[in-house]
Amino acid sequence: EAGVTQSPTHLIKTRGQQATLRCSPISGHTSVYWYQQALGLGLQFLLWYDEGEERNRGNFPPRFSGRQFPNYSSELNVNALELEDSALYLCASSSGTSERDTQYFGPGTRLTVL
Amino acid sequence: QKEVEQDPGPLSVPEGAIVSLNCTYSNSAFQYFMWYRQYSRKGPELLMYTYSSGNKEDGRFTAQVDKSSKYISLFIRDSQPSDSATYLCATHASGGSYIPTFGRGTSLIVHP
Repeated sequence: EAGVTQSPTHLIKTRGQQATLRCSPISGHTSVYWYQQALGLGLQFLLWYDEGEERNRGNFPPRFSGRQFPNYSSELNVNALELEDSALYLCASSSGTSERDTQYFGPGTRLTVL
Repeated sequence: QKEVEQDPGPLSVPEGAIVSLNCTYSNSAFQYFMWYRQYSRKGPELLMYTYSSGNKEDGRFTAQVDKSSKYISLFIRDSQPSDSATYLCATHASGGSYIPTFGRGTSLIVHP
């Protein structure tokens, strides 16, 4: 069974630009979660999508946004990039049907903002 | 105070040692507890998943939850150099958004 996939692996942008990160969940999973893992910090929850709807949002500014497509894949957009946005962005998926469901992570996209 | 506290380490042990990794948490509503392993430049991989208090064993790994003291442990027996990674604890409450709160992770180095 294929795991969660993310693209691109690495992304280099300059301050003020926009970045788009993509995620494909495990087949059959309807929930997608986005996390930011900055150096020295733990995983910080960004966004949760389920069945095409945004279900929850972490404590991040509105320039972090995303969407989920009918095939349950997801996109994270970061506008007006700042140097502090440099981090590993992780996507996870779950079946989203029960609080006992666990999240399975992709390999991440490393975003570098210069 | 962060909801989940975890010593970042690094924790360095010789091959074959028993490793103890720990987290504390502050929210008594947390019911589900997870341990993830993250190799350098990779995504976290789920190792153990437990509900409420008690022990759970899987091969060389044992997860332990003590809800009375809000303490979570992961024990690794016969540690191997391939166990060298960052170990993240995570937890969430029953009901609600299913969004786990993660610790910062403990870096483990097992040297031959």
